[in-house]
Amino acid sequence: EDKVVQSPLSLVVHEGDTVTLNCSYEVTNFRSLLWYKQEKKAPTFLFMLTSSGIEKKSGRLSSILDKKELSSILNITATQTGDSAIYLCAVEASRNQGGKLIFGQGTELSVKP
Amino acid sequence: ETGVTQTPRHLVMGMTNKKSLKCEQHLGHNAMYWYKQSAKKPLELMFVYNFKEQTENNSVPSRFSPECPNSSHLFLHLHTLQPEDSALYLCASSQRGLAGETQYFGPGTRLLVL
Repeated sequence: EDKVVQSPLSLVVHEGDTVTLNCSYEVTNFRSLLWYKQEKKAPTFLFMLTSSGIEKKSGRLSSILDKKELSSILNITATQTGDSAIYLCAVEASRNQGGKLIFGQGTELSVKP
Repeated sequence: ETGVTQTPRHLVMGMTNKKSLKCEQHLGHNAMYWYKQSAKKPLELMFVYNFKEQTENNSVPSRFSPECPNSSHLFLHLHTLQPEDSALYLCASSQRGLAGETQYFGPGTRLLVL
């Protein structure tokens, strides 16, 4: 059965800290891995990763995929209170017509001033 | 205006009511999805429509009935729901056929079943 597991489930840090969020997966016909940030409403897209070892960056956020280890990490440097959210990892698996998106349970990040 | 819109944003209904959730995407995508998000659980895929044809429903109870009249609109008809159906219902869309497609979500409908 396809599954995506994130760790830790929750994390409390102080502003300025660096955090690393983990995502591991077991999926048939892997296609891509995506990271989302969810605040009070719907998830917003952060990164899509398809190739192993290539880091993607957006400001203070970066992410990398390791297909050999079936995992990905999301790094946030110099955290700010606005980074407080649930971070969702999702893995897309190929199916007959397109793909299926399997989500992990999320990591709840709380950044204290 | 956001790419994917959902109405209503909040809904309270009794177990004997019938209501419908509406989703509209303005991104020119050809696939649409309904997800359920309960507290402390991963997103659960409920329905997938690809080129208006339903391709997956993940064994959702029949009290949830989807309708996709065209590639831009998606409905979720609700009837005789249970309190455990209270959740955030999210609609998403994507462009199928491309490697590594990304699903874009609407703001969701917060449903409370009394």
